Amino acid sequence: AIQMTQSPSSLSASVGDRVTITCRASQDIRSDLAWYQQKPGKAPKLLIYVVSSLQSGVPSRFSGSGSGTDFTLTISTLQPEDFATYYCLQDYNYPWTFGQGTKVEIK
Amino acid sequence: QVQLVQSGAEVKKPGSSVKVSCKASGGTFSTYVFSWVRQAPGQGLEWMGGIIPIFGTTNYAQTFQGRVTITADESTSTAYMELSSLRSEDTAVYYCARTPRSEVTNFGMDVWGQGTTVTVSS
Repeated sequence: AIQMTQSPSSLSASVGDRVTITCRASQDIRSDLAWYQQKPGKAPKLLIYVVSSLQSGVPSRFSGSGSGTDFTLTISTLQPEDFATYYCLQDYNYPWTFGQGTKVEIK
Repeated sequence: QVQLVQSGAEVKKPGSSVKVSCKASGGTFSTYVFSWVRQAPGQGLEWMGGIIPIFGTTNYAQTFQGRVTITADESTSTAYMELSSLRSEDTAVYYCARTPRSEVTNFGMDVWGQGTTVTVSS
């Protein structure tokens, strides 16, 4: 199975900061990479699919980039509602696999 | 608006099985990938497996191979996940999620169920 290594596992940031989360695949996954946001007690929410396509309704401060094995989720200007845990997922081949998550906390 | 509505919480004994349902309302059903994702208390997301109803094809994570069965009933637009030989470590919230797909790529799990808590305890 493809391993997804996400970093950092947690970070502390302030409102207004630029935040970057990375995800590395153990093999080439082309552009089959999505990002999810999860808040406590809630189902995950799709933010970005196919590396950089913004899901409908998701604010434009979220962006994704990368290809092959290295991918990045960027929040350009962190807002209070962005404090959550973020996961990457490869859906290039089965079994699909998630990264271990990045918890974004308030500094 | 498309919704996925899951069955209610379950409490099971070790060694037993649980079957969770996920009913889709609105939109088409058969052409999507329906996945099941597990989240143990305080842990991350774990993809368990998925099904494409129109083809009847299933794929499972190795961790659950042999213990999980995912099925779909196109007539009721419902996906099911059955997990057998339950142990305490299977205590978790189980989510279903829908992924639009094409022949060349997938478009992310865009609709999620509300989650079903399964507790395994003697």
